[in-house]
Amino acid sequence: GENVEQHPSTLSVQEGDSAVIKCTYSDSASNYFPWYKQELGKRPQLIIDIRSNVGEKKDQRIAVTLNKTAKHFSLHITETQPEDSAVYFCAASPSYNTDKLIFGTGTRLQVFP
Amino acid sequence: EPEVTQTPSHQVTQMGQEVILRCVPISNHLYFYWYRQILGQKVEFLVSFYNNEISEKSEIFDDQFSVERPDGSNFTLKIRSTKLEDSAMYFCASSEAEQGAEEQYFGPGTRLTVT
Repeated sequence: GENVEQHPSTLSVQEGDSAVIKCTYSDSASNYFPWYKQELGKRPQLIIDIRSNVGEKKDQRIAVTLNKTAKHFSLHITETQPEDSAVYFCAASPSYNTDKLIFGTGTRLQVFP
Repeated sequence: EPEVTQTPSHQVTQMGQEVILRCVPISNHLYFYWYRQILGQKVEFLVSFYNNEISEKSEIFDDQFSVERPDGSNFTLKIRSTKLEDSAMYFCASSEAEQGAEEQYFGPGTRLTVT
């Protein structure tokens, strides 16, 4: 079945710097890749997603890139702010015939002022 | 903005007892899910539900688990005889899309502690 690997497990950056989190997936049929932000004790919140027919998507300071050939996708946060501090999870939906999400192991991002 | 809600926020139960976790999905959503997250680990898929029946379930979702949509708004997860290893945060999620796994919105979770 699908397996999603996520790196790094922790990431510390200075406010204003960029942060990049990378995920790889195993199932080449995967077609949908969301990113969730989870603050301590709160629900995972969808922050951006990308579908397999698109290579890049941007929403203000957040962007996601997808390389289908290499089977990896990345989250890019520019001009980081302390409120970006949270755990970020990538996920993949294995194929058109399923509606489950397979999650990565999470990245704890700390943005220092 | 509509949100998925879950009750209770925290449930403590003794091993072997039955628990029911409740969720109210977003009202116009068609697909419903349960996920769990053991402390410090990743979110794991349990089950998806569409048109009043299970559409997919994981290996975790064994005979001790069941789901139900008893009325037009609630979606429940029942664990028949809880085990210590069932202790986790359980998240309900819902999706509007007619063809699955897109833009799933998560509830705040129920922390289940089995003693």
